[in-house]
Amino acid sequence: AQSVSQHNHHVILSEAASLELGCNYSYGGTVNLFWYVQYPGQHLQLLLKYFSGDPLVKGIKGFEAEFIKSKFSFNLRKPSVQWSDTAEYFCAVKEADKLIFGTGTRLQVFP
Amino acid sequence: DTAVSQTPKYLVTQMGNDKSIKCEQNLGHDTMYWYKQDSKKFLKIMFSYNNKELIINETVPNRFSPKSPDKAHLNLHINSLELGDSAVYFCASSQVLGTGGGYTFGSGTRLTVV
Repeated sequence: AQSVSQHNHHVILSEAASLELGCNYSYGGTVNLFWYVQYPGQHLQLLLKYFSGDPLVKGIKGFEAEFIKSKFSFNLRKPSVQWSDTAEYFCAVKEADKLIFGTGTRLQVFP
Repeated sequence: DTAVSQTPKYLVTQMGNDKSIKCEQNLGHDTMYWYKQDSKKFLKIMFSYNNKELIINETVPNRFSPKSPDKAHLNLHINSLELGDSAVYFCASSQVLGTGGGYTFGSGTRLTVV
């Protein structure tokens, strides 16, 4: 079965800093990959997804992610974070019509 | 219009009680899910239904019983609640596999067992 690793458990940044959150999945083949964001006290919202095609995926709120098949990675990036990006970020892979989530990365952005 | 709605939002109950959480989606999706988020924010699938038919049943105590009266509803009933059941339960829905859609989540039900 697939598994997802998010090695950054807690990231603290100042506003305007660049962000990269790591995500690795366990084995190859055709993969469908997702990044979700969970703002404090709220539900998960889809940031972006990769199904096929261009490995550089653009999402909402200025986020993007790059699928690198050789590295089994799907890292999330944002060039300049804002205080409002403070949230929990989850990477997920689709397996047999269910999502397997990573353990999440807590991002704190200070003004 | 809320796409995936869950009720109640908060549920505080005593050990041993039986409780239900309801979920409804108005997206026309074929598949619905229950996920459990523990205190460390880890999300794990519990159940999945496709057109009222159970298709995923992870290793969940049989005190948890999902029910899908139609493809727009998926309820979760929990018997004999235990302290370890305290968590946030999220309902989600998606289109059929392979159509390229993501999953839409409800706002969650925070269950606290005391």
